[in-house]
Amino acid sequence: AQSVTQLGSHVSVSEGALVLLRCNYSSSVPPYLFWYVQYPNQGLQLLLKYTSAATLVKGINGFEAEFKKSETSFHLTKPSAHMSDAAEYFCAVTLTGGGNKLTFGTGTQLKVEL
Amino acid sequence: EPEVTQTPSHQVTQMGQEVILRCVPISNHLYFYWYRQILGQKVEFLVSFYNNEISEKSEIFDDQFSVERPDGSNFTLKIRSTKLEDSAMYFCASSEGTSGSGETQYFGPGTRLLVL
Repeated sequence: AQSVTQLGSHVSVSEGALVLLRCNYSSSVPPYLFWYVQYPNQGLQLLLKYTSAATLVKGINGFEAEFKKSETSFHLTKPSAHMSDAAEYFCAVTLTGGGNKLTFGTGTQLKVEL
Repeated sequence: EPEVTQTPSHQVTQMGQEVILRCVPISNHLYFYWYRQILGQKVEFLVSFYNNEISEKSEIFDDQFSVERPDGSNFTLKIRSTKLEDSAMYFCASSEGTSGSGETQYFGPGTRLLVL
């Protein structure tokens, strides 16, 4: 079975500060990992994904995430937060050879303050 | 840029009524999905569809649910007899379907279903 845990349902940062959103996964086989963002009243947009090519993955809007097998983590970071980053962020996992079913975490609401 | 579209954006129905949620996946994609998100909860997988048949479904996807690709562009989710607990945001997604696991799924904006 696969699962993801996102620590912190709400994260608040100041504009220009580091953004760190945490995601830990559980899977019995090598996973594929994704970060999606959801802006108000919109669908889920892919930020980045890990598919075993490189452990440090760069995505859109200046976000990146590092796959750490030893820590079973895939935390999302951005060096400097912008007001437009305020949204809900979802970590998701799917398994190699396990079809394409995405299993999502509970989401983290990011608030960016002036 | 191609995108997944869904109609309607909002639907209100009475308990026991049938609803059909519609999706137009990205045109060259072969894999289609439905997910739902009950208010305040995580996004949950319902079903995946490939080559005109269900390839995987979750325990949520019981006999009250069905999916269909009635023509070359639409992908529908039918709930035969809605229950209060079916109230949720329903997301359609599609992927190219050429490289197996790990493909990017592209999501539509969702249909918010309210069952009264």
